[in-house]
Amino acid sequence: QVQLQESGPGLVKPSETLSLTCAVSGYSISSGYYWGWIRQPPGKGLEWIGSIYHSGSTYYNPSLKSRVTISVDTSKNQFSLKLSSVTAADTAVYYCARISGDSRFNWYFDLWGRGTLVTVSS
Amino acid sequence: SYELTQPPSVSVSPGQTARITCSGDALPKQYAYWYQQKPGQAPVLVIYKDSERPSGIPERFSGSSSGTTVTLTISGVQAEDEADYYCQSADSSGTSYVVFGGGTKLTVL
Repeated sequence: QVQLQESGPGLVKPSETLSLTCAVSGYSISSGYYWGWIRQPPGKGLEWIGSIYHSGSTYYNPSLKSRVTISVDTSKNQFSLKLSSVTAADTAVYYCARISGDSRFNWYFDLWGRGTLVTVSS
Repeated sequence: SYELTQPPSVSVSPGQTARITCSGDALPKQYAYWYQQKPGQAPVLVIYKDSERPSGIPERFSGSSSGTTVTLTISGVQAEDEADYYCQSADSSGTSYVVFGGGTKLTVL
């Protein structure tokens, strides 16, 4: 079955860049679907970060767009997130997910990774 | 920015019906989706396209839409249904393709 697994540093210093990778198993990213990142600060709700297609087309949350880069590596069957100039407000559990839906206005997340906690602290 | 509004909490006794609402101006034009999240776990999709149920989701979960409000209904609530529930939709203006509601904590008394 299809599985997603996030990986990356659990601690990042303020002003530095947060980098995470999502490895996909059981399905080839090149075969289709959009893939996305969502985060959840401790005790708070969900926030969409952005999404990417295997071709490299990306869409970002306008509130984070200036600091976010999402990329895909089809040879490794994974996609990645970079968030620059982080502050304590970026401390959250970061999830990667598979996106279904027949248009960008009908996206939904039908398969999620387990999530990884990233803490921003010096 | 576009917002989806959910009640912070809903409480029901086992066997009763729980209704969780989500309000947003674009909901008459955009589908809504619902996720269940239990403590320490990733969210799970329970309803898509307003009222469709993914395979493996119990029939007691249903969704409906009326105007600017969508509703997740859980019939015959069980203790295992205690969780946070989030609605999700899109901003039809194209500003943001994915917007989440603030979440509702369902407590089974």
